Amino acid sequence: GESVGLHLPTLSVQEGDNSIINCAYSNSASDYFIWYKQESGKGPQFIIDIRSNMDKRQGQRVTVLLNKTVKHLSLQIAATQPGDSAVYFCAENPGGEKLTFGTGTRLTIIP
Amino acid sequence: GAVVSQHPSWVICKSGTSVKIECRSLDFQATTMFWYRQFPKQSLMLMATSNEGSKATYEQGVEKDKFLINHASLTLSTLTVTSAHPEDSSFYICSARDGDLGYTFGSGTRLTVV
Repeated sequence: GESVGLHLPTLSVQEGDNSIINCAYSNSASDYFIWYKQESGKGPQFIIDIRSNMDKRQGQRVTVLLNKTVKHLSLQIAATQPGDSAVYFCAENPGGEKLTFGTGTRLTIIP
Repeated sequence: GAVVSQHPSWVICKSGTSVKIECRSLDFQATTMFWYRQFPKQSLMLMATSNEGSKATYEQGVEKDKFLINHASLTLSTLTVTSAHPEDSSFYICSARDGDLGYTFGSGTRLTVV
């Protein structure tokens, strides 16, 4: 299930199931979005990106969906594996060069 | 692919001393580099944006005299935490951007001030 911790929401998923991580972004002017995976003590690792002229993009085992109407982004991970355990962040680029990061979601895989 | 090297990966320093963190783009020239700070169980907060050969642009609330940023070449940016105090203890992460490659992050530096 999904719960909200002190700062970081958490999502627990059974190994082999699909995971869906959600993100609400803030700036309607944002035209580029990225999902990152961050393991403990490491920097963010690029997973997949999408531009605002698209509403869906697929990669290997991952799919990003963008709903500009409600400013919502989701990351779907198919057949979740133990190595998928990490914190996942969405980031938005509202123009210029800066990225603004979302709160993040901790994904925990249940064996 | 693009690689960003950040050094050191962790450092412990005494209160009142200064610490320098390096961020290098290894196989590309980074026109822009970014420095982030991350507290435990929280997101990345942008501290500043630096462009090679010019002064860094700091985010609101970030003290430029405390967090000195130098971007002397297209492959190296440094962040110096001056007169560090325990509240500066955090995870510092750099990111480098090449227009074609997007954003690549370093592995982060864990700073502990005692």
